[in-house]
Amino acid sequence: DGGITQSPKYLFRKEGQNVTLSCEQNLNHDAMYWYRQDPGQGLRLIYYSQIVNDFQKGDIAEGYSVSREKKESFPLTVTSAQKNPTAFYLCASSWGTAVNTEAFFGQGTRLTVV
Amino acid sequence: DQQVKQNSPSLSVQEGRISILNCDYTNSMFDYFLWYKKYPAEGPTFLISISSIKDKNEDGRFTVFLNKSAKHLSLHIVPSQPGDSAVYFCAASPRLGSSNTGKLIFGQGTTLQVKP
Repeated sequence: DGGITQSPKYLFRKEGQNVTLSCEQNLNHDAMYWYRQDPGQGLRLIYYSQIVNDFQKGDIAEGYSVSREKKESFPLTVTSAQKNPTAFYLCASSWGTAVNTEAFFGQGTRLTVV
Repeated sequence: DQQVKQNSPSLSVQEGRISILNCDYTNSMFDYFLWYKKYPAEGPTFLISISSIKDKNEDGRFTVFLNKSAKHLSLHIVPSQPGDSAVYFCAASPRLGSSNTGKLIFGQGTTLQVKP
C-alpha cells in the first residue's frame, strides 16, 4: 500500500534536547512538507522541499532543520532553539510543482517537551 | 499576515441539513484551492479541490464554490451526516510557475458538528 508514514506517533523529550521526527513516503512524490498544528490554529508551514537536496523555509522555520537526501524521506529536527516545541507535527507529500494536485498527509506526531 | 482565513471557528447543524463552511483569501496569486477534513490526532484527508478557472466543483455530497472577485470559497455538504463531524481546513496554492509553487497555505479550520 502506498502512503506516507510518520513515526513515532507520540514523542516525549526533555527541554533543551534536539529531537528528530521521521517522515517516509512511497508515493514517488517529488514534494514534501512539514506543518505544525497548535490548538485553535491552522496548519502552519515549517519547511518544504520540492526536490531532492533542496528545501525552503516556510512561515515558522526558526528552531527547526530538515534534510532531503532521498526522495522518500524528509526528517524534521526540532532543535533546542525552538521556544515552544510542544505541538502536533504533520508531514505531507505531493506530486510537486508540475501540476495542481492535493497533498497527502501522514498521521502526525504529537511532540511533548517537558 | 493570514493569507487564508476561516472566520468561523465552529458550526453546528442538524443531520440532513446543509452545512456551509466559508473561507476567504487575500493573495490573488492563489489559483488552486482545496478542502481537507481532519479528525483529532490524525492527519488531514483531502476532500475536494477547485481550480481558479472554475466557479464550482461537485463530488457527491460535497460542492465547492469559488468567487474570485470576492476572493471567497465555500464548501457545501448536503445532506450533512453525523460522520461529517470534524475540523475542516481550506487551503490555497500559488499559481504554477510562481516562486511559491507547491506551497500550500491553510486556514485556521472550522469545527463542524452534525447533530443526529
